[in-house]
Amino acid sequence: TQLLEQSPQFLSIQEGENLTVYCNSSSVFSSLQWYRQEPGEGPVLLVTVVTGGEVKKLKRLTFQFGDARKDSSLHITAAQTGDTGLYLCAGADTGGFKTIFGAGTRLFVKA
Amino acid sequence: GAVVSQHPSWVICKSGTSVKIECRSLDFQATTMFWYRQFPKQSLMLMATSNEGSKATYEQGVEKDKFLINHASLTLSTLTVTSAHPEDSSFYICSASFGRAFFGQGTRLTVV
Repeated sequence: TQLLEQSPQFLSIQEGENLTVYCNSSSVFSSLQWYRQEPGEGPVLLVTVVTGGEVKKLKRLTFQFGDARKDSSLHITAAQTGDTGLYLCAGADTGGFKTIFGAGTRLFVKA
Repeated sequence: GAVVSQHPSWVICKSGTSVKIECRSLDFQATTMFWYRQFPKQSLMLMATSNEGSKATYEQGVEKDKFLINHASLTLSTLTVTSAHPEDSSFYICSASFGRAFFGQGTRLTVV
């Protein structure tokens, strides 16, 4: 069974601070996704990383995929109150697009 | 991008009754759809894989007789929570794959 360990599960920081969320597994994934979810809504895709060692940037968000394709990180620079939300990492198996989610990181950015 | 529509977005039902949730792929065909359950302040837990024209595949610990899944067409999968109890109250989300996973907007079920 493929498992994704995500940490931290809760993070409360001041506006302007930087933060990193980690997603680790003992399994190799064909790709890893990062989602953001608002209360009462489905998850919204932020990015997909596919290649080992890949780094993708989305404005103040930087996503990395480990060389062995077993882990990933999300780094947010100069967090804003609008970044508050639930961030989920997810791994897709090869072929079926069966998506397994990490436990999630609930981020709260204080003004 | 592809759109997955889930209905209803919320439902309240009495304990002991059954509730059906629909998941539709609006602009693509999906031979496989997935059903997730999410409890408050927790992540999404995969319940089952819905396969068009065949039986669903359930994850360990999910009661297949309680959570009935029907995938009768390439654009529709339904999840029926039978004899619902308050502990079944949760947020249920479906997804369908079209190059990648696309998620429905979720259904909040409250059993009273």
